[in-house]
Amino acid sequence: EPEVTQTPSHQVTQMGQEVILRCVPISNHLYFYWYRQILGQKVEFLVSFYNNEISEKSEIFDDQFSVERPDGSNFTLKIRSTKLEDSAMYFCASSEAEGVMNTEAFFGQGTRLTVV
Amino acid sequence: AQKVTQAQTEISVVEKEDVTLDCVYETRDTTYYLFWYKQPPSGELVFLIRRNSFDEQNEISGRYSWNFQKSTSSFNFTITASQVVDSAVYFCALSETNYGGSQGNLIFGKGTKLSVKP
Repeated sequence: EPEVTQTPSHQVTQMGQEVILRCVPISNHLYFYWYRQILGQKVEFLVSFYNNEISEKSEIFDDQFSVERPDGSNFTLKIRSTKLEDSAMYFCASSEAEGVMNTEAFFGQGTRLTVV
Repeated sequence: AQKVTQAQTEISVVEKEDVTLDCVYETRDTTYYLFWYKQPPSGELVFLIRRNSFDEQNEISGRYSWNFQKSTSSFNFTITASQVVDSAVYFCALSETNYGGSQGNLIFGKGTKLSVKP
């Protein structure tokens, strides 16, 4: 069964460092998303991406964040200068192409980011 | 504005009891989708069900059932004869359609932590 894969599963980084979280969406999906979940809290939308550009982003997704689809299979989230409060589980998700009704977002296993 | 409310923060039941997890949503759209996801202790998000706003039929899948009522903006989830493996955090989520007709981003509730004791 196709699945969304995320690497690494756990990343520890020092405050101020840049991190890149990687995701491989399901191959025929064209909508991609990043969500984050601070420990013990709800899952929050960060950004959606379609046709090589951001289609929607939340207030959380400030200038420290960027997304990219560098090679047609990977979808990355970069945090330029990490802060302690960026510590969270980051989920990548993908869903089928535009115009296809009745689709759901498939989530990856998540990357737990710990900023120290 | 869209909003999902899961009023029950934590529920504890004994195995074989039935349990209902409540979800109330707010949206101005007439076309939207509702979801339930399960998050076991391992942390991943497991998709359980998706419902679109035009389909108010209740659904049953094994021990799981869902009751969608537009009149009360609720999408409740019942687990019958609960088992220890059902212990997890359950999230209800809402999505409105984007310009293309496929789902937009998901707005999650705060989740309900279900503990099923043997």
